[in-house]
Amino acid sequence: QSVLTQPPSASGTPGQRVTISCFGSSSNIGSNYVYWYQQLPGTAPKLLIYRNNQRPSGVPDRFSGSKSGTSASLAISGLRSEDEADYYCATWDDSLSGRGVVFGGGTKLTVL
Amino acid sequence: QVQLQESGPGLVKPSETLSVTCTVSGASISRYYWSWIRQPPGKGLEWIGYIFYSGSTNYNPSLKSRVTISVDTSKNQFSLKLSSVTAADTAVYYCARGGDKQWPGFDYWGQGTLVTVSS
Repeated sequence: QSVLTQPPSASGTPGQRVTISCFGSSSNIGSNYVYWYQQLPGTAPKLLIYRNNQRPSGVPDRFSGSKSGTSASLAISGLRSEDEADYYCATWDDSLSGRGVVFGGGTKLTVL
Repeated sequence: QVQLQESGPGLVKPSETLSVTCTVSGASISRYYWSWIRQPPGKGLEWIGYIFYSGSTNYNPSLKSRVTISVDTSKNQFSLKLSSVTAADTAVYYCARGGDKQWPGFDYWGQGTLVTVSS
């Protein structure tokens, strides 16, 4: 059971816009920045979005992030076949049981 | 260019201690936080803990009793030890840069090393 909740799967056709949600609580998303990672099959995760909505150099502007309250979203516009991957959200958690980085369970994106 | 490379035994027996080392090149280990993250086959990511070059650490509460992360600044390396392993600890173990509260993001990752716990 992950601290952050993501839908297990999402799908879209080429050119479409898809969004992936990430739900948390006041001790994590509600009070800290959200980060998003893309993991292509058989590879290490890659940082896609940092501090809610910032893109590292080299990440296409088709990828965008947002946060509102205790939830966050990753949007991918102009969907391409190479976007088929697992996507994870993450943030810092300040819960009573301990402090540290927490991840969502991941969302498998299929490009139909 | 920053690169991280994990190394260690691919097979560990149950109840023994898992040990993995991460060698960092292209950046000084003395300037950032460094983390271990694992991913069981077919499952999601789990943060294990971080270390700062000073030796300051922070561990995932669920693993804290079994985890030790150490750093060797002279070799630009940091290491993970996980004791009393079981089959549930079978995973790809990644090292990455980052992981503290001010920067809980991971901008550079190693390729990962699969560690299997089996007799």
